[in-house]
Amino acid sequence: SQELEQSPQSLIVQEGKNLTINCTSSKTLYGLYWYKQKYGEGLIFLMMLQKGGEEKSHEKITAKLDEKKQQSSLHITASQPSHAGIYLCGADIGNTGNQFYFGTGTSLTVIP
Amino acid sequence: KAGVTQTPRYLIKTRGQQVTLSCSPISGHRSVSWYQQTPGQGLQFLFEYFSETQRNKGNFPGRFSGRQFSNSRSEMNVSTLELGDSALYLCASSFRYGAAGQYNEQFFGPGTRLTVL
Repeated sequence: SQELEQSPQSLIVQEGKNLTINCTSSKTLYGLYWYKQKYGEGLIFLMMLQKGGEEKSHEKITAKLDEKKQQSSLHITASQPSHAGIYLCGADIGNTGNQFYFGTGTSLTVIP
Repeated sequence: KAGVTQTPRYLIKTRGQQVTLSCSPISGHRSVSWYQQTPGQGLQFLFEYFSETQRNKGNFPGRFSGRQFSNSRSEMNVSTLELGDSALYLCASSFRYGAAGQYNEQFFGPGTRLTVL
């Protein structure tokens, strides 16, 4: 089973539409990270959330970590073709500092 | 600052061969982690090295090994390659030990695409 579940698995949206990607864990999340990956390439860091209720924004992307620190959402406003790619959440589950888990990934396609 | 570099970018091998991948971390970073990414399993943690010592290890067979040099550069070796080892191998560097914990952001390299025929 996956420690971090992401939904949806894939998303196809029209340019200009808003969208939300979710990342859920059965355990408390410590240092929840969001990354973007262009197909077949390395990961690009988007933002990190640590405190329950925390919300961060960068350009048109906003990420939140819920109060219980078991779910995070990534929201893109007015999507553009440049937003296309795979979005991955990652976290040290259980605060062991021993292993970093990644979510299952969400593939985003933005149609011009 | 230069980013994380990985060499080679692409590699084609046949079953039974062995392969060595290289990762140079960001200057000043002492931790290097390796990940395997496949369509079926997603991104999975292989191991982490810090100050030339393996600190953490994921659930991979002993055919997967690594090492880290005094300049923090790391190599990953896979022996007796199997078809299922075909994947994108990513390395990430961070300042502190302990994978990506609090305030310990990981920076990823572009990856090495390994194809096993």
